[in-house]
Amino acid sequence: EAGVTQFPSHSVIEKGQTVTLRCDPISGHDNLYWYRRVMGKEIKFLLHFVKESKQDESGMPNNRFLAERTGGTYSTLKVQPAELEDSGVYFCASSHQKGGVGYNEQFFGPGTRLTVL
Amino acid sequence: DQQVKQNSPSLSVQEGRISILNCDYTNSMFDYFLWYKKYPAEGPTFLISISSIKDKNEDGRFTVFLNKSAKHLSLHIVPSQPGDSAVYFCAAIAGNNRKLIWGLGTSLAVNP
Repeated sequence: EAGVTQFPSHSVIEKGQTVTLRCDPISGHDNLYWYRRVMGKEIKFLLHFVKESKQDESGMPNNRFLAERTGGTYSTLKVQPAELEDSGVYFCASSHQKGGVGYNEQFFGPGTRLTVL
Repeated sequence: DQQVKQNSPSLSVQEGRISILNCDYTNSMFDYFLWYKKYPAEGPTFLISISSIKDKNEDGRFTVFLNKSAKHLSLHIVPSQPGDSAVYFCAAIAGNNRKLIWGLGTSLAVNP
């Protein structure tokens, strides 16, 4: 079974440019999460999809960030326009859907390292 | 306002000895706690979890202890092996969407 994949692995852009990150979850996983780790800080939740619906986007920093999951398969995270503080590693994770309590293991991709100059 | 705290950025132990990684939390609504392991250039990998209604969970060389009154959990690795060298993240879950709240991580080095 293929794991979670993310593209690109690295991206270096200039302030003001646009970047789109892509995540392909494990096939059949309805839950898809985006997280971000800024250097020196903890990994932080950005948003959560269940299939194609945004379940929680409370962690999105501002309206320069737009996430989509058309068709409930892969997801994209677009940053437009990028700012210096957007630099960090963006992780995507997926898990099976299960209601209520308990823990469904979240499987993580290798991350996309974004550098904004 | 970090809700999950790992106060030791690094830990070094000898191969064969016990590694103890610590984690404190502030939110009493967390109902699950997890440890993830991360190698460089890879995503975090799930290691072990514990429900808030338990005080211990064991899986092979890995044991997690939870002290709810102290809002503290710890991960014990015994015996430690060089392949265990990685960054270990403590994380917690609350709420229906099961999003993870992370600590800063502890870098473990197991020396041969």
